[in-house]
Amino acid sequence: QLQLQESGPGLVKPSETLSLTCTVSGGSISSNNHYWAWIRQPPGKGLEWIGSVHYSGTTYYNPSLKSRVTISVDTSKNQFSLMLSSVTAADTAVYYCARDYGDVRTDYWGQGTLVTASS
Amino acid sequence: DIQMTQSPSSLSASVGDRVTITCRASQSSSFSLNWYQQKPGTAPKLLITSTSSLQSGVPSRFSGSGSGTDFTLTITNLQPEDFATYYCQQSYAFGQGTKVEIK
Repeated sequence: QLQLQESGPGLVKPSETLSLTCTVSGGSISSNNHYWAWIRQPPGKGLEWIGSVHYSGTTYYNPSLKSRVTISVDTSKNQFSLMLSSVTAADTAVYYCARDYGDVRTDYWGQGTLVTASS
Repeated sequence: DIQMTQSPSSLSASVGDRVTITCRASQSSSFSLNWYQQKPGTAPKLLITSTSSLQSGVPSRFSGSGSGTDFTLTITNLQPEDFATYYCQQSYAFGQGTKVEIK
C-alpha cells in the first residue's frame, strides 16, 4: 500500500523559506504515470493545489504561487520536496504531499503537516 | 486562470435525503473534473474523476454528472458517514467546498 509522509519544520519565520520533504513508501517515485504533488489548506479554509513534479524533473505550478515555489525530486531516496520562499502569515496551512495520476487526479495523500509562519 | 465556484457553501440534510452540489468552472477545460470528500482532521479522499467515474470502493449512492462548465455531485440516500465537506477540482483549481451537515 502506497504511503506518503511529510516532514519538515512546523514553524517558519516571515520572509524566510518554507521547506518540506515527502517520503514515499510502498511504491516507486519513478513511475512514468504519476506526478507527485503538494497541496495546502489554511486552517478552517479550502484546498489549494501548489504544484507537482514528475520523476523526470518536469514540474507544474499553480500560477498564483509560481514565482515563489520550487518542487524537486530525489529518486535515489524516493522523496520529493517543496520550497516556498518569502513566506507570510498567509502561508500558514496544513501542507499535504500527494500522488497525482492522469491530469491532476489526486488519489493518495499524506496525513498533512501544519506549518505556521510566525516570528 | 481557471476558477471553480461551488454552491451551496453549506447545507443541512437528514439521513436518507438526496443531496446535490453544483460546481461551475470559469472556462471550459479538457482536464478531468474531480470530486473529493474531506472529514475533519483528515486528508481529502478522491471520490469521482472524469465527471462521473467512481473511484474503486466508493458507494454507488455517489454520482457525478455535467459537461462544459457545469457539474454536479449527487448523493442519494445520505448516510451518517457522508456528513463531510466536498470539493470539486479541475486542473490546479479547487472549489471553495460544500459542507454537508446533519439537520
